[in-house]
Amino acid sequence: AQKITQTQPGMFVQEKEAVTLDCTYDTSDQSYGLFWYKQPSSGEMIFLIYQGSYDEQNATEGRYSLNFQKARKSANLVISASQLGDSAMYFCAMREAANNAGNNRKLIWGLGTSLAVNP
Amino acid sequence: DSGVTQTPKHLITATGQRVTLRCSPRSGDLSVYWYQQSLDQGLQFLIQYYNGEERAKGNILERFSAQQFPDLHSELNLSSLELGDSALYFCASSVEFGRAGTDTQYFGPGTRLTVL
Repeated sequence: AQKITQTQPGMFVQEKEAVTLDCTYDTSDQSYGLFWYKQPSSGEMIFLIYQGSYDEQNATEGRYSLNFQKARKSANLVISASQLGDSAMYFCAMREAANNAGNNRKLIWGLGTSLAVNP
Repeated sequence: DSGVTQTPKHLITATGQRVTLRCSPRSGDLSVYWYQQSLDQGLQFLIQYYNGEERAKGNILERFSAQQFPDLHSELNLSSLELGDSALYFCASSVEFGRAGTDTQYFGPGTRLTVL
């Protein structure tokens, strides 16, 4: 069964330091996508970064990078040079490819990691 | 700003009532998804529509229903509300349906429903 595991309920990091948020996934499919979203205290869900299962290089978006280790089924988010505004919940999510009927497009979510950036 | 709009932002109602949540997807997006986020169950997929047709159903209660209109906006109807329905309801949209895992879902700001 598809599953996303985020083992760190809460993390602390000093401003300007880097932090890694863990995500492991379970799927039997060969084609899938991995996503990270940020949810600040205001509640909105903000897309950060995407990694496709066939992408050979790790995805990067500004200060965000994804450490994708396919054999270990892990997709850790690395935030470099943390800022106070990075304090938020971070969710890892996965979506498998659609089947022939075009179904299975939903995102499977982890329980999230709460990140606090200390000044 | 993701480009996905949701109204209302907040909704307070009583048990047994019925409410309608509205979502407008990003321009050009044909797929709309509804999710429920509650403290005890995390984020749960409810239902997906593509170009007006229902495509996938998740943990959606029979008291809940949804539809997507010809202009692609979608409504989620919640009836016979219970205290446990209090949650943040998100709508998300994506570009295409059918491509292998690639299309990103962009989320609206959510509707916070409180059932008293």
